[in-house]
Amino acid sequence: EDQVTQSPEALRLQEGESSSLNCSYTVSGLRGLFWYRQDPGKGPEFLFTLYSAGEEKEKERLKATLTKKESFLHITAPKPEDSATYLCAVRSSYNTDKLIFGTGTRLQVFP
Amino acid sequence: DTAVSQTPKYLVTQMGNDKSIKCEQNLGHDTMYWYKQDSKKFLKIMFSYNNKELIINETVPNRFSPKSPDKAHLNLHINSLELGDSAVYFCASSQEVYEQYFGPGTRLTVT
Repeated sequence: EDQVTQSPEALRLQEGESSSLNCSYTVSGLRGLFWYRQDPGKGPEFLFTLYSAGEEKEKERLKATLTKKESFLHITAPKPEDSATYLCAVRSSYNTDKLIFGTGTRLQVFP
Repeated sequence: DTAVSQTPKYLVTQMGNDKSIKCEQNLGHDTMYWYKQDSKKFLKIMFSYNNKELIINETVPNRFSPKSPDKAHLNLHINSLELGDSAVYFCASSQEVYEQYFGPGTRLTVT
């Protein structure tokens, strides 16, 4: 069964303290791994799509990487405005019509 | 311009009532989705429509009925509401199997 596990559940960082969020997945044929950011009371906001192992994508202080079993979202020198819940989702070749989400990592960045 | 919009944003109702949530997207996408996010923030797909045709129907009680009058709209009607239906419901859209874009959510509270 396709599954996505994110860790840690919650992460508290000091402003400027770099760290990484993990997304481990088990899927029958990966057809895309997606990272989303969700602010309280809002819908998930699309960040990145990764399709194959070794691929990397960057946006401002965020960098997403992908291996055959997991993805990392690296946050470099975070700012308080990076505080949000970060969601990872996968699409499998078995069923390309839906995304399977992890439970997210709630990130808090303190000044 | 809002890409994916939902109405209402908040819905408070009593058990046994029937309610509807509306969704519209102006991105020109051909696929639309309904997701349910529970109190633990887990996001799970309920339905998807591609060009007005039902593609995904997860194990959702048949009290939930989606309707797509055209490819820009996907509504969700819920009959005989129960306490366990309380959650945040998100509409999303995508072009084929690419990234999905989410609406702001509808917080449903059943009392």
